[in-house]
Amino acid sequence: GQQVMQIPQYQHVQEGEDFTTYCNSSTTLSNIQWYKQRPGGHPVFLIQLVKSGEVKKQKRLTFQFGEAKKNSSLHITATQTTDVGTYFCAGPSAGGTSYGKLTFGQGTILTVHP
Amino acid sequence: DSGVTQTPKHLITATGQRVTLRCSPRSGDLSVYWYQQSLDQGLQFLIQYYNGEERAKGNILERFSAQQFPDLHSELNLSSLELGDSALYFCASSVVGGVLENEQFFGPGTRLTVL
Repeated sequence: GQQVMQIPQYQHVQEGEDFTTYCNSSTTLSNIQWYKQRPGGHPVFLIQLVKSGEVKKQKRLTFQFGEAKKNSSLHITATQTTDVGTYFCAGPSAGGTSYGKLTFGQGTILTVHP
Repeated sequence: DSGVTQTPKHLITATGQRVTLRCSPRSGDLSVYWYQQSLDQGLQFLIQYYNGEERAKGNILERFSAQQFPDLHSELNLSSLELGDSALYFCASSVVGGVLENEQFFGPGTRLTVL
């Protein structure tokens, strides 16, 4: 079945350092979504990328969708302690009409040391 | 606040017991998803309902079942509980329409502890 893989699993950074997490799908995706889960919280939608090669920015966060639409990345510039949490990518299930089901990556747990 | 509600917030029970987790989706959302999240684990998709009908199934154990009612709220039933079922259970909802998937809105989760 479809697999969505994320690396790294864990990332520890000093406040002010940059951070990147990578997401790879075993199949071509029609779109990809990113979610953030704060410690003790629930996943919260960040963004959706649809077009091949698309780049979107949200303040210090930059999201990229690969040209082949099989990979994506999230880059955070100058991390802050508020960036702590787990970042998940998610892609729609392979094949057929969209039914809404997403396959989530395992997530990258980001720790920011002040 | 995502607009998705889940009850109860915490549940402590014993092995072999049966529990029911409840979820109310955002107003207007027809699709409900259930996920299991164990410690340091990702979101394991269990099952999806759309407008009362089962739409997709993930790695859901036979001891687990779910349903979505006419008012669109959903319940996840877990029976013959084992220690390994201890986890955070999330419900999410989305509109689901058109070509692209819509974002999913997650509830606060139910933390299940099986002793």
